[in-house]
Amino acid sequence: GAGVSQSPSNKVTEKGKDVELRCDPISGHTALYWYRQSLGQGLEFLIYFQGNSAPDKSGLPSDRFSAERTGGSVSTLTIQRTQQEDSAVYLCASSPQGWRANTEAFFGQGTRLTVV
Amino acid sequence: EDQVTQSPEALRLQEGESSSLNCSYTVSGLRGLFWYRQDPGKGPEFLFTLYSAGEEKEKERLKATLTKKESFLHITAPKPEDSATYLCAVRSNSGYSTLTFGKGTMLLVSP
Repeated sequence: GAGVSQSPSNKVTEKGKDVELRCDPISGHTALYWYRQSLGQGLEFLIYFQGNSAPDKSGLPSDRFSAERTGGSVSTLTIQRTQQEDSAVYLCASSPQGWRANTEAFFGQGTRLTVV
Repeated sequence: EDQVTQSPEALRLQEGESSSLNCSYTVSGLRGLFWYRQDPGKGPEFLFTLYSAGEEKEKERLKATLTKKESFLHITAPKPEDSATYLCAVRSNSGYSTLTFGKGTMLLVSP
C-alpha cells in the first residue's frame, strides 16, 4: 500500500481481555516500530524489528505485552489481560532501512484502544 | 538516557504572525533530529531530518535549524492549515534503534 496501515482504527475492550493490533508496513520497508501515545504524553517506544534480527523489546512495559513480525512484513502487537492504564493510541511506523542508515520513520494512523 | 524537551507546550498565533518552536535535547551522541507534524486523530507526518549542527532545511513556510543543544522550527507567515501538534524526536548512539520524542507543541493559527 501507499502508507502504513493499522487495524482496527478503534478498539474497545473489557478489562482482563486480550487484544491484537495489526500493522501493515510500507512495502519494502525493513524496519518496523511500535509506539504508544497516551493523552498529554509523548510517544513511548515499545518495540523495534529490523529484518531477521532479534527485536529490541526494551520498551515493552510488562510481560503482558508482546509483538511478532511474520515474514518480515506484517506485525501484530498483543496485549494480554488488558488493564485500564493500557488505554492509549498505539502507533506503528516503518522505515526503509534499519537504524544504521538513520532514516526517518513513517507512521500509520494508529489504533485507539479503550479498556473499560 | 536521551531527553527531549519542547517549548512552548501550546502556541496561539494570528495568521501571518511568524514565530518559532523550540526543541532542546540531551543525548550521548546525536545521530539525527527529526521533526513531525501530527493532526488530531492521525499519526505523525514526517517533515525534516537534521544530522549536524548548522544544518537547515525548509519546506514551504517551515524552516528547521539545528545547534549542538537544540533545534528550532521557524514558521513564517503561518496559515490556519498549519495548525497541528509539532513533534521533535532524536536518535542517538545510545538508543540507536529508537526515536525518543518530546511531548510536542500544539500550534493554533487563527484567521
